[in-house]
Amino acid sequence: DSGVTQTPKHLITATGQRVTLRCSPRSGDLSVYWYQQSLDQGLQFLIQYYNGEERAKGNILERFSAQQFPDLHSELNLSSLELGDSALYFCASSVAIQGTGELFFGEGSRLTVL
Amino acid sequence: DAKTTQPPSMDCAEGRAANLPCNHSTISGNEYVYWYRQIHSQGPQYIIHGLKNNETNEMASLIITEDRKSSTLILPHATLRDTAVYYCIVRVDGEYGNKLVFGAGTILRVKS
Repeated sequence: DSGVTQTPKHLITATGQRVTLRCSPRSGDLSVYWYQQSLDQGLQFLIQYYNGEERAKGNILERFSAQQFPDLHSELNLSSLELGDSALYFCASSVAIQGTGELFFGEGSRLTVL
Repeated sequence: DAKTTQPPSMDCAEGRAANLPCNHSTISGNEYVYWYRQIHSQGPQYIIHGLKNNETNEMASLIITEDRKSSTLILPHATLRDTAVYYCIVRVDGEYGNKLVFGAGTILRVKS
């Protein structure tokens, strides 16, 4: 158990819909990362937040957005869903924003868009 | 834009050492090498990381060449539970944040 909690574990929805994925980082971790893993793309970095502020951005679609709240949990919002958005979405957390701390990953949220 | 290359797959006999190579020829002087593994579709699990010295922990050893252009992860006594995808990653530090850029990884199959 990494200490990172993601909900929901599984989600099935239809094209055009909007969903929200939630992540609770390990206690004391200030930095949160989101990754997408689809069958044909591998693990893709989406975005990083540190103590409520966006700090690094990857190939995140404009239809996707994220935020980190004062209690440090984070949400990833996916809108106007397409079939290709079906994937595993992982959240990870670390203590610091830089330095050598490792990332601890949650077990992921599996999104299926029909 | 992964900065590492790894063989797509490797086999290892149970109980033997598994040596997983990684090339990172464009690594910068202050960039760390990280190793993670992913079992089935579980969340990636941290194994070890290093800068230029060899490192060892309870899971594995990391050998980094003197020129830092390649490294090898060593699982000293592989078990069936070590079957997984192993990712060698160079962490990219930006001005305000950082990210781990995953490549395709190496599928390690441990066989009895």
